[in-house]
Amino acid sequence: GAGVSQTPSNKVTEKGKYVELRCDPISGHTALYWYRQSLGQGPEFLIYFQGTGAADDSGLPNDRFFAVRPEGSVSTLKIQRTERGDSAVYLCASSLKMGTDTQYFGPGTRLTVL
Amino acid sequence: AQSVSQHNHHVILSEAASLELGCNYSYGGTVNLFWYVQYPGQHLQLLLKYFSGDPLVKGIKGFEAEFIKSKFSFNLRKPSVQWSDTAEYFCAVIRGSGNTGKLIFGQGTTLQVKP
Repeated sequence: GAGVSQTPSNKVTEKGKYVELRCDPISGHTALYWYRQSLGQGPEFLIYFQGTGAADDSGLPNDRFFAVRPEGSVSTLKIQRTERGDSAVYLCASSLKMGTDTQYFGPGTRLTVL
Repeated sequence: AQSVSQHNHHVILSEAASLELGCNYSYGGTVNLFWYVQYPGQHLQLLLKYFSGDPLVKGIKGFEAEFIKSKFSFNLRKPSVQWSDTAEYFCAVIRGSGNTGKLIFGQGTTLQVKP
């Protein structure tokens, strides 16, 4: 079956611009996670959703970052006033339910802020 | 700071050599432990996981890992590596009872296997 998909695969933007990154989880998965991976580092947790609600957004670095999952399926990570330090690969994962269920990762979106 | 540490950043082995990648975590209490692998050009995927019970867990492709609670370690092993094992390996932890699903990753180890 289809895995987790993320669009776009690459995004180049200028400092100060607004970007949206999209994640389509595996059908039927209620839990959805966002991570950020900088070069040479492991993924870093940002936020996760159980259904439509953000269960834990403690990893969002500041209020320029926001994520939504309005219908409990697709999620969008939104970054306002992008900075060069936001450049990273943004990973999305989904699991059948929240907790220790296996998380299935998407291919990521590589964001470059010039 | 509380964290997950992977000792080796870059490991180079010849085919048929044995592999051990170190992972230590600094959290007290209950932990759920994972190894993820990312093959070149592919997504992160689960290699194996430990929640409770037998501390020696077996995963896909002949990998295994041993949880040693007294050492706060969860090292990954494979008796004989193949060229196709070339990849980046990440150790990760979910703290507590596991209700959150929040994975905390180490910085990763790049394994290069020479044919």
